[in-house]
Amino acid sequence: GAVVSQHPSRVICKSGTSVKIECRSLDFQATTMFWYRQFPKKSLMLMATSNEGSKATYEQGVEKDKFLINHASLTLSTLTVTSAHPEDSSFYICSAPVDGPMGYTFGSGTRLTVV
Amino acid sequence: AQTVTQSQPEMSVQEAETVTLSCTYDTSESNYYLFWYKQPPSRQMILVIRQEAYKQQNATENRFSVNFQKAAKSFSLKISDSQLGDTAMYFCAFMKRPSGTYKYIFGTGTRLKVLA
Repeated sequence: GAVVSQHPSRVICKSGTSVKIECRSLDFQATTMFWYRQFPKKSLMLMATSNEGSKATYEQGVEKDKFLINHASLTLSTLTVTSAHPEDSSFYICSAPVDGPMGYTFGSGTRLTVV
Repeated sequence: AQTVTQSQPEMSVQEAETVTLSCTYDTSESNYYLFWYKQPPSRQMILVIRQEAYKQQNATENRFSVNFQKAAKSFSLKISDSQLGDTAMYFCAFMKRPSGTYKYIFGTGTRLKVLA
């Protein structure tokens, strides 16, 4: 089946540095990618929607300058956490539609720890 | 605004038994989709089952089935013959149709533990 490959799976960075998370669609073209954040034992919170060739759409309350999203091609979307702080520590997941509304595929997630 | 409510934060069930996870949602839409996702300790989101709102017949996938009550806006998941591998966090999700860009709205989740 269609797969979204997400890297890295875990990353530890120092406060003030930037971290890039990549999601690549394998064997299909992802014109849209959704980015979620999940706190421990909590639900998935949609952060933004990236579309190939256009600016990302951010959900209310999500800082655009903190979470930079780029959809460089039909198979690659990236989320960059800029000037990371400990409160940005979380689990980040990407997801892309594969079968219209009936099926999205999710990346395996990235656990970000900012120290 | 659409909301999805899962009223059971945690549940447990004995292996081989049946368990039902509840989910209610609120929407003014008539056409939409409902899903149950499983998130095991690996954190990978896995689709369990999906239901189109215009279909009255309840969806079934092997040991997993749903009880879809559209008028009551209820979408419960029944797991039969529970297995240890079913231990996971389960999220109910709503997606409206059509909507330009489809987006999931997830419930708060139910942590299910299957006991040996």
